[in-house]
Formats: sequence, structure tokens, C-alpha cells
Amino acid sequence: AQSVSQHNHHVILSEAASLELGCNYSYGGTVNLFWYVQYPGQHLQLLLKYFSGDPLVKGIKGFEAEFIKSKFSFNLRKPSVQWSDTAEYFCAISGGYNKLIFGAGTRLAVHP
Amino acid sequence: DGGITQSPKYLFRKEGQNVTLSCEQNLNHDAMYWYRQDPGQGLRLIYYSQIVNDFQKGDIAEGYSVSREKKESFPLTVTSAQKNPTAFYLCASSYPERNTEAFFGQGTRLTVV
Repeated sequence: AQSVSQHNHHVILSEAASLELGCNYSYGGTVNLFWYVQYPGQHLQLLLKYFSGDPLVKGIKGFEAEFIKSKFSFNLRKPSVQWSDTAEYFCAISGGYNKLIFGAGTRLAVHP
Repeated sequence: DGGITQSPKYLFRKEGQNVTLSCEQNLNHDAMYWYRQDPGQGLRLIYYSQIVNDFQKGDIAEGYSVSREKKESFPLTVTSAQKNPTAFYLCASSYPERNTEAFFGQGTRLTVV
């Protein structure tokens, strides 16, 4: 079955702390990988995506993710978070027809 | 500006009534999608359409219906058969080719009382 698992449902960090959000997926074929972010009251935005090539992907706002095919993982990282990173983060995969399969999401709260 | 417009932002309905959520895009995308977002469950696919006059059921299509009469529009009807309709509904669009990304609207929060 196709699925996405996000390891942490809630994460609380202080500003300047490093962030790593885990994402593992199950998919029987070639897959595209995404991280989306939903800031409070705003629409879902794409943080970064992986289609092929360099498995280390850099996105907006200093985020990056590494695709490790052998581990079926696509973890999101940021070296130093800011209060403005408080949001909900979704890992997603797609195969055919660009239908996205989402993880349950991780709510990140960053305290000043 | 190009984008996806969902209306209204908030919608209240009485139990047993059908309600239609609007989704319009001016990105010239062929493919459009409806997702439902519930706390702790992420987003789940309700229906999708790759081309005008064609659409397919997603993972949780029961109690929902759609139409795709125009490329720009993909309205979703939440029928009285949907057992738990209160949720946040998101519309998205993309090119149908494989290595492309989807763009999302701002969502409609439906509350059924």
C-alpha cells in the first residue's frame, strides 16, 4: 500500500535550534517527493521537491531535505529555526497522475 | 495574478443539506484535485480530474460528487450522504505530466451543524 509516515506529530523548539522532521514512505515504483508547509491561516505552500538527480534538495527559507532511497526516507532539515517557521509541515509523495499522498503532518512551534 | 481561488472561505450548513464548494484556477492547468484535511490525518484525496469532462474517484469519494465542464473550474458537492462532512477542503491544480508540482487554493472550512 502507498503511504507516508511522519514520525513526529508535534515538535517544540527554541529559536536557533536545529530542526529535523522525519518522513518515510511506502510506494512500489518511481516516486516524486515533496514537503509542503501550512502557516497559520495561510494556504499550503511548497517548500521543496525531489524528482530526480542530487538527493540533497534545497528549498525556500533555508530548508533542505535528503532523499535516501535505501531507507525510503525524505527528512526535512533546517540548521537554525526562527519563530516565523511555526507552522504545520506535510511530507507527500506522488506517482502517476500527480496524485499526492500526504503524511499526517507535523506541527512545529518555535518559541522566541 | 495566476492562482487558485476557492470560495467561500467559511461555510456553514445544516445537516442533510447538499453544499457545493467552488474552485477556479487561471493557471491553465489540465489537472485538478480535491483534498480533505482533518486534524492529525493530513490531506486525503477525494476526487481528481486530468482533463475536461473526465474525473476519477480518490481515496475517500463516498458522499461527494464533482463535475468538470470547464478547464478552469472543478466544483465539489458535499452531499447529505457524507457521514462526517465538517472539515477543511483544499483544491489543487497541476499540469498532468509526471514531474510537475501541484498548487493549492486557500481552502474552504465547512461546518455542518
